[in-house]
Amino acid sequence: TQLLEQSPQFLSIQEGENLTVYCNSSSVFSSLQWYRQEPGEGPVLLVTVVTGGEVKKLKRLTFQFGDARKDSSLHITAAQPGDTGLYLCAGAPGANNLFFGTGTRLTVIP
Amino acid sequence: ETGVTQTPRHLVMGMTNKKSLKCEQHLGHNAMYWYKQSAKKPLELMFVYNFKEQTENNSVPSRFSPECPNSSHLFLHLHTLQPEDSALYLCASSLTGAPYNEQFFGPGTRLTVL
Repeated sequence: TQLLEQSPQFLSIQEGENLTVYCNSSSVFSSLQWYRQEPGEGPVLLVTVVTGGEVKKLKRLTFQFGDARKDSSLHITAAQPGDTGLYLCAGAPGANNLFFGTGTRLTVIP
Repeated sequence: ETGVTQTPRHLVMGMTNKKSLKCEQHLGHNAMYWYKQSAKKPLELMFVYNFKEQTENNSVPSRFSPECPNSSHLFLHLHTLQPEDSALYLCASSLTGAPYNEQFFGPGTRLTVL
């Protein structure tokens, strides 16, 4: 089992604030994915990062893959209530299965 | 229908009941997965099927029995479950051979075992 620790576990912020969520592991991954899960639904893929040091932007969300491909971060600018949900990182050691992180539950208060 | 669908969305069962969860994907994928999501635990992979063949059983108790009749359908048969089996059961699919194993999830079945 390849453990991915996410921090913080819970985060509650006001609308308009910025935040960063971290995903850390001692294992190297060939790629890393971020998912968001809303209450009552399954996780939805947001982005895949594959190159060490890579930065991808998706509107107000910025994803970074660590140089050593062991960690990743998600930064949200000017958070909105619609960003509320459970954020999951998932690492792929190879071409097969994914290992999911412990999750960060984000609440954005209007 | 599009994407990955799961039925039922909610299920309450006693420990002596037998029930089945159903998953169907309309994405043309050939790999399907069952996951268990409990509070305070990471998403736990249970079973993986590739081209209808089971390729992974993650030490799941035998009271959970998967079935994959074709690449589009996946079932999870349940019998003599325990209260600690109460959780959200998620089905996912992906395209074998795709570079990053990006998975597409259904909405899940919320299972309560009394």
